[in-house]
Amino acid sequence: NAGVTQTPKFQVLKTGQSMTLQCAQDMNHEYMSWYRQDPGMGLRLIHYSVGAGITDQGEVPNGYNVSRSTTEDFPLRLLSAAPSQTSVYFCASSSQLGRYEQYFGPGTRLTVT
Amino acid sequence: SQQGEEDPQALSIQEGENATMNCSYKTSINNLQWYRQNSGRGLVHLILIRSNEREKHSGRLRVTLDTSKKSSSLLITASRAADTASYFCATDARGGSNYKLTFGKGTLLTVNP
Repeated sequence: NAGVTQTPKFQVLKTGQSMTLQCAQDMNHEYMSWYRQDPGMGLRLIHYSVGAGITDQGEVPNGYNVSRSTTEDFPLRLLSAAPSQTSVYFCASSSQLGRYEQYFGPGTRLTVT
Repeated sequence: SQQGEEDPQALSIQEGENATMNCSYKTSINNLQWYRQNSGRGLVHLILIRSNEREKHSGRLRVTLDTSKKSSSLLITASRAADTASYFCATDARGGSNYKLTFGKGTLLTVNP
């Protein structure tokens, strides 16, 4: 099993550009989440999904969109990048969020200039 | 908003010593989890303790939970240089959605050879 994979590993965007961060898992987990990690802030939940076709907002959803068309994939879209979105983004999956451990991807380091 | 807060923010010890990190939280929980993050990597699950448990062991790790004080501690015994990492607690708040975990800001542990 590859576990949770994320692409790209690094990305530089200009303000106003859009892009999609990819996340995939091969563990047949129902629950997937996106977090951002900023220095001194810990991890903050952006969006999460409890199954294909079902998504919900987390703590910091503004400026981000998600969709979940399959169990395996959970892409995160930045509609119009802003410097405040410079961060490291982690995707995670779990068989049941909160009840069991989460498996994290290696992260995407995003810089918006 | 942060549910869990780790203490201390940073801890530096010598190899072979024990390391203790604490986590305090604000609302009643279903369970509490501890994760480790090596520099530049994703988080790795260490241990989960449920609200009806008081102590749990896993190898050199010992976790305690005091729900009356809304606090948990992570003890790493006989530390090694490879234990150098950031450690995060995460809580799943009781009564809220089962689908969200809230992470603290982490404790940076440095184990000197």
